[in-house]
Amino acid sequence: KAGVTQTPRYLIKTRGQQVTLSCSPISGHRSVSWYQQTPGQGLQFLFEYFSETQRNKGNFPGRFSGRQFSNSRSEMNVSTLELGDSALYLCASSLGETQYFGPGTRLTVL
Amino acid sequence: GQNIDQPTEMTATEGAIVQINCTYQTSGFNGLFWYQQHAGEAPTFLSYNVLDGLEEKGRFSSFLSRSKGYSYLLLKELQMKDSASYLCAVRPYGQNFVFGPGTRLSVLP
Repeated sequence: KAGVTQTPRYLIKTRGQQVTLSCSPISGHRSVSWYQQTPGQGLQFLFEYFSETQRNKGNFPGRFSGRQFSNSRSEMNVSTLELGDSALYLCASSLGETQYFGPGTRLTVL
Repeated sequence: GQNIDQPTEMTATEGAIVQINCTYQTSGFNGLFWYQQHAGEAPTFLSYNVLDGLEEKGRFSSFLSRSKGYSYLLLKELQMKDSASYLCAVRPYGQNFVFGPGTRLSVLP
């Protein structure tokens, strides 16, 4: 069974731009979560989607948003990028309790 | 609130045994997770403890004590490829996952 996939793997943007990241969960998994990982803050929860509905949301500004489609694929969007948004963005899917992570998208904001 | 503590860094020798501790303060959760993350890669699932006690899986074992708010990951017969960060995590009831800061393990020859 294929694992979680994320596109793109690497992205370079400039301040003020917006970005959309994509995640395809493991087949059959309906829950998708997004995390931001930085050296200083570790893994920080962004949001979780289940059956196209946002189930939980972390403590991030409204510039960070997401959605989930009927096939469980998910996207997250960051608008008005700031330098501090440079990070590894990880997507994880789950069927039960255990989460399985994708390879991540490395976003660099210049 | 929830808080998870882990040692920042640990060093051990190839072939040795190392124990990585995790302490947490949370109101209630189904189980405790351990993940391994190599530099520049995504976390990979190692173990999930629901009940108190030791769960053994090959060279890796994980222990949970709910009454003490404590877990540890035990790595035996250390190999160079075990050099990585180890993250413990819980999911409090009805809430999102909370990850610890991670312990960076360096295995030396």
